[in-house]
Amino acid sequence: SQTIHQWPATLVQPVGSPLSLECTVEGTSNPNLYWYRQAAGRGLQLLFYSVGIGQISSEVPQNLSASRPQDRQFILSSKKLLLSDSGFYLCAWRRGGRDNEQFFGPGTRLTVL
Amino acid sequence: DQQVKQNSPSLSVQEGRISILNCDYTNSMFDYFLWYKKYPAEGPTFLISISSIKDKNEDGRFTVFLNKSAKHLSLHIVPSQPGDSAVYFCAASHPSGNTPLVFGKGTRLSVIA
Repeated sequence: SQTIHQWPATLVQPVGSPLSLECTVEGTSNPNLYWYRQAAGRGLQLLFYSVGIGQISSEVPQNLSASRPQDRQFILSSKKLLLSDSGFYLCAWRRGGRDNEQFFGPGTRLTVL
Repeated sequence: DQQVKQNSPSLSVQEGRISILNCDYTNSMFDYFLWYKKYPAEGPTFLISISSIKDKNEDGRFTVFLNKSAKHLSLHIVPSQPGDSAVYFCAASHPSGNTPLVFGKGTRLSVIA
């Protein structure tokens, strides 16, 4: 069976500090990978997605970046965090092709002070 | 332009009664639809899906109905239970399967005992 891991679960960082959130998927190969953010009381905002190693598509301009150094590893980074980066960050995976479900990780609560 | 719309941000239902959550979409190319349930501080969990070749899919207390001509789908929960209280997201998929799911903004369901 497939599992998706995210860490850390919670993070409190000062404004201007760097960020690295990690996501790994087990039990599948060549998954499509996604990073979402849910701000307080808001919907799911797609930040980045990747259909393969080194392939990153960005959905919104921001001071965040993503990388996929390995097939089942997806990393969300920032060089300098802003207050507006606070939120609940979710990683997800999905098989390519038609009619497939998408599965989410447990999320990381980021608070920027 | 919001391609998937959940026009009711919240819904309250008595325990034991039916909950009906609605979702509208604008892109006629969508051919696969999914519902997710999300508790606070957790990742969304997949609930039920429907392909555009069907108009109904049932799984226990959950039934999804699809009306392609109206570009409308609904999730019925019968009977509603307090544990169903959560935010429900509707999502739609393109035939390629590699483009990201398009999510609605969610409906918060409260089931009152």
